[in-house]
Amino acid sequence: EDQVTQSPEALRLQEGESSSLNCSYTVSGLRGLFWYRQDPGKGPEFLFTLYSAGEEKEKERLKATLTKKESFLHITAPKPEDSATYLCAVHAWNQGGKLIFGQGTELSVKP
Amino acid sequence: EAGVAQSPRYKIIEKRQSVAFWCNPISGHATLYWYQQILGQGPKLLIQFQNNGVVDDSQLPKDRFSAERLKGVDSTLKIQPAKLEDSAVYLCASSFVGGNEQFFGPGTRLTVL
Repeated sequence: EDQVTQSPEALRLQEGESSSLNCSYTVSGLRGLFWYRQDPGKGPEFLFTLYSAGEEKEKERLKATLTKKESFLHITAPKPEDSATYLCAVHAWNQGGKLIFGQGTELSVKP
Repeated sequence: EAGVAQSPRYKIIEKRQSVAFWCNPISGHATLYWYQQILGQGPKLLIQFQNNGVVDDSQLPKDRFSAERLKGVDSTLKIQPAKLEDSAVYLCASSFVGGNEQFFGPGTRLTVL
């Protein structure tokens, strides 16, 4: 069964304290791995898509990496405005367009 | 470019009542998705349309949930009758056919009392 697990469930950082969020996945055939950001009361906002092991993508203070079993979202020198829930999702070849989401990591960055 | 529109943003109903949610996708996006997000969990797909046809409704509780996309543009999701466990945020997303990136609307927060 295709499955996505994110850790930690919650992460509290001080402003400027770099860290990483983990997304472990089990999927029969990975078509793509997605990272989304979700602010309270809003829908998920697309951040990155990764397609193959070894791929990396960056956007401002965020960098996403992918291996055959997991993905990491690295946050460098975070700011309070980076506080949000970060969702990881996989798209499998045998699942049509369906995204299978993890439960998310709630990030809080204090000034 | 306008994003995915959803209404209402909030709805509170009693159990056994019915409720309907509306979604208008990004212009040109033929694929439309409805997801259910229970508090503290990631979104779970309920139904996927391509144009006005259903692609995947395997996780839609068909005894109480229904959805339609009659003209291949906007869509309505209905729950009748609602149960307490239906309390969740209902998210609509859209994408190009075969496109990997799905773009989400703001969601409708449903509370069933």
